[in-house]
Formats: sequence, C-alpha cells, structure tokens
Amino acid sequence: QSALTQPASVSGSPGQSITISCTGTSNDVGSYNLVSWYQQHPGKAPKLMIYEGSKRPSGVSNRFSGSKSGNTASLTISGLQAEDEADYYCCSYASSRTWVFGGGTKLTVL
Amino acid sequence: QVQLVESGGGVVHPGGSLRLSCAASGFTFSSSGMHWVRQAPGKGLEWVAFTRYDGRDKYYADSVKGRFTISRDNSKNTLYLQMNSLRAEDTAVYYCAKDGGAYQLPMWGQGNVVTVSS
Repeated sequence: QSALTQPASVSGSPGQSITISCTGTSNDVGSYNLVSWYQQHPGKAPKLMIYEGSKRPSGVSNRFSGSKSGNTASLTISGLQAEDEADYYCCSYASSRTWVFGGGTKLTVL
Repeated sequence: QVQLVESGGGVVHPGGSLRLSCAASGFTFSSSGMHWVRQAPGKGLEWVAFTRYDGRDKYYADSVKGRFTISRDNSKNTLYLQMNSLRAEDTAVYYCAKDGGAYQLPMWGQGNVVTVSS
C-alpha cells in the first residue's frame, strides 16, 4: 500500500492550463480505470472533482478533466482561476477492497 | 440535506483507545459502503478502512490492521471506528466518507481531530 506519486507543487497564471500527474503501479492505477481526484482547500474536507479516471460529478466545472496512460493518471485544469488554488489528491482503487491516495499537490495560482 | 457528522475525537495517551462516530442523514445509509480516511497534521490523505453496506465485509490499511475496527449500525444510520493501541503517528483529522459505488468518495464529513500524546 505505497502512496501514489504526485508532484509536491505546481503553479500557473490565471487563464492558463496546468496538469497534475499521479503515478502508481500495475497493481493500482495501471490495473483499474478507477482513479478519482479531490480538491481540498485549507481547513476544509476534500471535494470529489473526477471519478473513474475522467468523469465529472454534477456541479464540477468542465474546466477540470482527467485521463490515464499506463500507470499514470493526470488531472488537467484549464482556464485557471484564483479559486482553483488548493491541494489536489489522486486516489486509486488498489484491489481487495483497498484504496491508496497520492501524496498531494499544492496548486498555486500566480 | 445530505450530511455526515463525525464525533468522538479528542486527546488520548499512547496505548489508549478511542471510538469515533459518524452520523449520516439525507441518503440511504444502509445501501452505502462507507470509508474512514485520515490526514495527519500538514500531511496528505490516507485511506484507513472500508465497510460494505451491510457491514459483513471490512477492509483496512496495513498501518491500522489489527488495531482499528470499522463497524456500522444501520438502524441508527451511524458508522464507527474503534481505535485501540493508539500511537503518536495516529494523530490526525479523521474523516468519514460515503462510497459512491464506483470506488470514489463523493461525500465527506467535516472531520474530527484525534491527538495521541503523553
């Protein structure tokens, strides 16, 4: 149950696009199309942004999109806005009813 | 209104025990798998445990296996986490979360602080 690997930080200017990667193994990200992404503002509970790799829950902006290639999943945020500044976590189902999160990525909007 | 409200956190000595509760409302609790997830101070999220909708199957992270027990009372719409043999590294905000049926966690509680310290 090793944590998925995410960059510690990414940054971008308003209006730009950024991508956050999430690297796992063939036992988790690579085996299942079951990666989800969460946004967490300081002192708040996480919020689901993407599930099943690329699906958006109702109410989540279409500026958020997800994809996967091999053992790496990615979250792309287009048209960056100030309110997107937050921590982002990926999560993958990892077999036998266990889940594993990434270490988290701090997004700074310059 | 869909809601998860945790309670039962606090300060406990190393080796001690604590039971967290998570009261659910606004959805059919008895049809939903449920998770516990924790976040140590300044750290990332860590999945802790999962129980199926009927409580018959339970799964744990290696870090808590044998010390923590997840359970539920569907008649009370409440999820529990019994934590025994607590260690300093168990200090965290503990969140309960609803499983979305597609292995995602679409709904979270507000979090409950557990501090293990002598």
